[in-house]
Amino acid sequence: EAQVTQNPRYLITVTGKKLTVTCSQNMNHEYMSWYRQDPGLGLRQIYYSMNVEVTDKGDVPEGYKVSRKEKRNFPLILESPSPNQTSLYFCASSPHGGVTEAFFGQGTRLTVV
Amino acid sequence: SQQGEEDPQALSIQEGENATMNCSYKTSINNLQWYRQNSGRGLVHLILIRSNEREKHSGRLRVTLDTSKKSSSLLITASRAADTASYFCATLSNAGNMLTFGGGTRLMVKP
Repeated sequence: EAQVTQNPRYLITVTGKKLTVTCSQNMNHEYMSWYRQDPGLGLRQIYYSMNVEVTDKGDVPEGYKVSRKEKRNFPLILESPSPNQTSLYFCASSPHGGVTEAFFGQGTRLTVV
Repeated sequence: SQQGEEDPQALSIQEGENATMNCSYKTSINNLQWYRQNSGRGLVHLILIRSNEREKHSGRLRVTLDTSKKSSSLLITASRAADTASYFCATLSNAGNMLTFGGGTRLMVKP
């Protein structure tokens, strides 16, 4: 089944403790991206990757890192999480940027206390 | 920055009625897409309309695009309770590298 898989689905952590949210897609898509969703603000793009070893900042990249060492994986790294990074995070992939539809993972609800 | 702005923010209708949601955006686009999100779940793609298209249909969905007004509308005909969800428009930049979402419209369809 074609899908985008994020892990974990839920995470509660403490301020400053490094964490990684994994994202994997099995559709051989070139483009992958991370969004955060906050009430009243919709979805905002954090980082995106057009292909392996190519990553770029989105609208809200501060406090986040990403890597794209292989086509299928695009982990999101929070080196020193802070409470303002409490949010619902989505990973998405598409064959060629947004030229066609984006496929979304089920989301990761992160709480930083 | 939010490229798209949906209107209304919330909409409540009876089953069988039509639901219309509007989206306005600010800059030139490659295409505009509509997505649906059930509470707390991932977004699901509904329909894509290219910048050189004016109208598109898919089942009970009808999307229009007016590039001169930088606006789009999504019409769901003969709504069902199962259509209850949030609906988002998203615009693809001309560079083709960023898909930017609006704040969404929360639709409730009462049985």
